[in-house]
Amino acid sequence: AQSVSQHNHHVILSEAASLELGCNYSYGGTVNLFWYVQYPGQHLQLLLKYFSGDPLVKGIKGFEAEFIKSKFSFNLRKPSVQWSDTAEYFCALYPGSQGNLIFGKGTKLSVKP
Amino acid sequence: DSGVTQTPKHLITATGQRVTLRCSPRSGDLSVYWYQQSLDQGLQFLIQYYNGEERAKGNILERFSAQQFPDLHSELNLSSLELGDSALYFCASSVEWGTDVQFFGPGTRLTVL
Repeated sequence: AQSVSQHNHHVILSEAASLELGCNYSYGGTVNLFWYVQYPGQHLQLLLKYFSGDPLVKGIKGFEAEFIKSKFSFNLRKPSVQWSDTAEYFCALYPGSQGNLIFGKGTKLSVKP
Repeated sequence: DSGVTQTPKHLITATGQRVTLRCSPRSGDLSVYWYQQSLDQGLQFLIQYYNGEERAKGNILERFSAQQFPDLHSELNLSSLELGDSALYFCASSVEWGTDVQFFGPGTRLTVL
């Protein structure tokens, strides 16, 4: 069965610290992967997506993610976080012929000023 | 603002009741998706419609139903409500389906007392 795992439930960082949020997926076919962000009280917004090609994907607000096929991973990174990055981050998999996304349980990021 | 609108924003009702949640997709989007977000289950796909027809079904209970109307807006009907149905219900839309990016609405927070 297809699934997405985000192992960190809550990450607390100070401003300017580097960020890496883990995402692992389980799916045997061609993967399409997404990271969404949900700022407090707001809707989910797309941060970045990977469909094919360069496994290092750059998104908005300085975020990037690396697709490593051998590790079934799609970790999200940012070299220096800001207080405004406080949000919940969701990794999602689009598993081929179906229309829906399969989401991880999310990682809450708290950035201390 | 993603361009996806959902009403109402909040809904408080009692067990056994029936409610209807409404979603208007972005202009030009033909696909509408419904997701349920709860603390224990995370973000779960419920159902997808494409141009008025049901296209994919996820973990949707039999007490729940949905439809997409000719003007492409969609309604999610929840009946015989139980305490456990309390959750945030998101609607998303995309132009087609597949790897098309899904844009999410602000959600409807349902509280069942």
